Amino acid sequence: IAGITQAPTSQILAAGRRMTLRCTQDMRHNAMYWYRQDLGLGLRLIHYSNTAGTTGKGEVPDGYSVSRANTDDFPLTLASAVPSQTSVYFCASSDSAGDYNEQFFGPGTRLTVL
Amino acid sequence: GQNIDQPTEMTATEGAIVQINCTYQTSGFNGLFWYQQHAGEAPTFLSYNVLDGLEEKGRFSSFLSRSKGYSYLLLKELQMKDSASYLCAVTGSNYQLIWGAGTKLIIKP
Repeated sequence: IAGITQAPTSQILAAGRRMTLRCTQDMRHNAMYWYRQDLGLGLRLIHYSNTAGTTGKGEVPDGYSVSRANTDDFPLTLASAVPSQTSVYFCASSDSAGDYNEQFFGPGTRLTVL
Repeated sequence: GQNIDQPTEMTATEGAIVQINCTYQTSGFNGLFWYQQHAGEAPTFLSYNVLDGLEEKGRFSSFLSRSKGYSYLLLKELQMKDSASYLCAVTGSNYQLIWGAGTKLIIKP
């Protein structure tokens, strides 16, 4: 693994189903993030984790949950998917959550909820 | 409130120079990033400004004026591969990034 990987690459999901998007990084970064990107809107932060064992809510956390059991993994779960969660999801990581926190992004997961 | 404004789309000619502007209003400020995002791909880091002034890195330069809440990204000697979206992001008081919607740059031969 080099950098950040995400799985799946894309997914079509029926409304009401549960879905977990996976994210793994091998850079030993402390901070990790989940964003969604929708046409015409900037990247919006869903949840973040400043260090393993801690998580926080971002701008649009409703309907999503995360966990950070270890440094490398940061899965995002949609408990009961709704069509408005159709989006491209990016996972990112940075060395720290401080003022200079250049973020490195995974390739993204394109999710369609029908 | 917190707000970042960028033009939605710009067009420029191969070999020319283009300036992409970004204005921001945030409750705190700890730095400004520019990222490049090609269609269907992830954003990648271009530059970071925390002090006023111009930071030059090859064909790309980024300028910041903290007093005016203003930044620009300057791209010189444009190449077709520079066709992409350019995202401005500001680190707010809680150190989370606040993102603009991005500027789609179209390069014509």
